[in-house]
Amino acid sequence: SQELEQSPQSLIVQEGKNLTINCTSSKTLYGLYWYKQKYGEGLIFLMMLQKGGEEKSHEKITAKLDEKKQQSSLHITASQPSHAGIYLCGAALGFGNEKLTFGTGTRLTIIP
Amino acid sequence: SQTIHQWPATLVQPVGSPLSLECTVEGTSNPNLYWYRQAAGRGLQLLFYSVGIGQISSEVPQNLSASRPQDRQFILSSKKLLLSDSGFYLCACRHSYEQYFGPGTRLTVT
Repeated sequence: SQELEQSPQSLIVQEGKNLTINCTSSKTLYGLYWYKQKYGEGLIFLMMLQKGGEEKSHEKITAKLDEKKQQSSLHITASQPSHAGIYLCGAALGFGNEKLTFGTGTRLTIIP
Repeated sequence: SQTIHQWPATLVQPVGSPLSLECTVEGTSNPNLYWYRQAAGRGLQLLFYSVGIGQISSEVPQNLSASRPQDRQFILSSKKLLLSDSGFYLCACRHSYEQYFGPGTRLTVT
């Protein structure tokens, strides 16, 4: 089984609507990273969360890490076509771990 | 933030041929460097990582190898490619808890 589960696997949202993507682990997340990827391109760093209860926002995207540091959510408000792509969460699953484990991604499609 | 260069951007190689992919980093010193592979329909698989010059950790036993001859240079190699080596190879750099990715190299083994 995946150490980092993302849900949903794919999402089709009408332009202007809000959406949420989740990233869950049975282990404590020591650093949770969110990335966006367009097909055939590299990963674009969005945000990184470290502390339980932490929340960060950039433009219309908000990421949160729960108090227990086992679940993170990425929320997009008033979605736009430019938000379409694959969203990946990555996390260090051990304290001081130099390696990130990644979820399998959520494919987001925005329809006009 | 760091800038990561990868080349080539795309590569088509026959089975059994050698491979060399290069990754260089600007804007930071003594970073952790990583090679990932993203196969079609699958997630990111960590192949190698390095915490310093000449220090390589292998995550998956396979016919690939990695080297770090300079602080900001990371090379992925193979002596003989297999069909299963096809995929999208991404180099990443991590410094002060932030991890950035390069643009990737798409490798097709025929």
